[in-house]
Amino acid sequence: EDQVTQSPEALRLQEGESSSLNCSYTVSGLRGLFWYRQDPGKGPEFLFTLYSAGEEKEKERLKATLTKKESFLHITAPKPEDSATYLCAVQAGIPGAGSYQLTFGKGTKLSVIP
Amino acid sequence: NAGVTQTPKFQVLKTGQSMTLQCAQDMNHEYMSWYRQDPGMGLRLIHYSVGAGITDQGEVPNGYNVSRSTTEDFPLRLLSAAPSQTSVYFCASSYSGAPYEQYFGPGTRLTVT
Repeated sequence: EDQVTQSPEALRLQEGESSSLNCSYTVSGLRGLFWYRQDPGKGPEFLFTLYSAGEEKEKERLKATLTKKESFLHITAPKPEDSATYLCAVQAGIPGAGSYQLTFGKGTKLSVIP
Repeated sequence: NAGVTQTPKFQVLKTGQSMTLQCAQDMNHEYMSWYRQDPGMGLRLIHYSVGAGITDQGEVPNGYNVSRSTTEDFPLRLLSAAPSQTSVYFCASSYSGAPYEQYFGPGTRLTVT
């Protein structure tokens, strides 16, 4: 059974205080790892896809990295508008019908204080 | 492009009532899916479809029904609502094939009393 664990559950940062969110996973045949941002009352918004260990992607103050067991979402000099819940999801298995299923972690709620 | 749209945004049902949550996408995506999100549980897959006429069950399918008659629409039917189905429901879509990112709708908040 695919498992995704995110830590910490909640994180409070001062504006400008850099940190990292963790997503550890146990899957058979990782095909892709996804990061989403979710604001209260909204649907998840896609941020990044990582496909293989060693890969990195960046967008503004966010940088996602991937190893064989975990992914990190690094937030550099965060601003209050970065406050949201960040979700990690994995897609695994053999290509074919039904293998597009995403297994989600429970998320990390980030609060950035001015 | 409207992306993924869902209606209604909010709904209150009494136990035993039935209803349909609507989902539509205008991106010509083959893959569509329904998730529910509950506090402390994360997003869980209910049903999915890899194309018109093809549907399958996800992790938590009991009490829900789906059909896919067109590429654009993927409605979710609650046959006889129960308080345990109180949740926020999200529809998502993506291209099939490679692990493409899934795009989510704004959600439907359902309360069953």
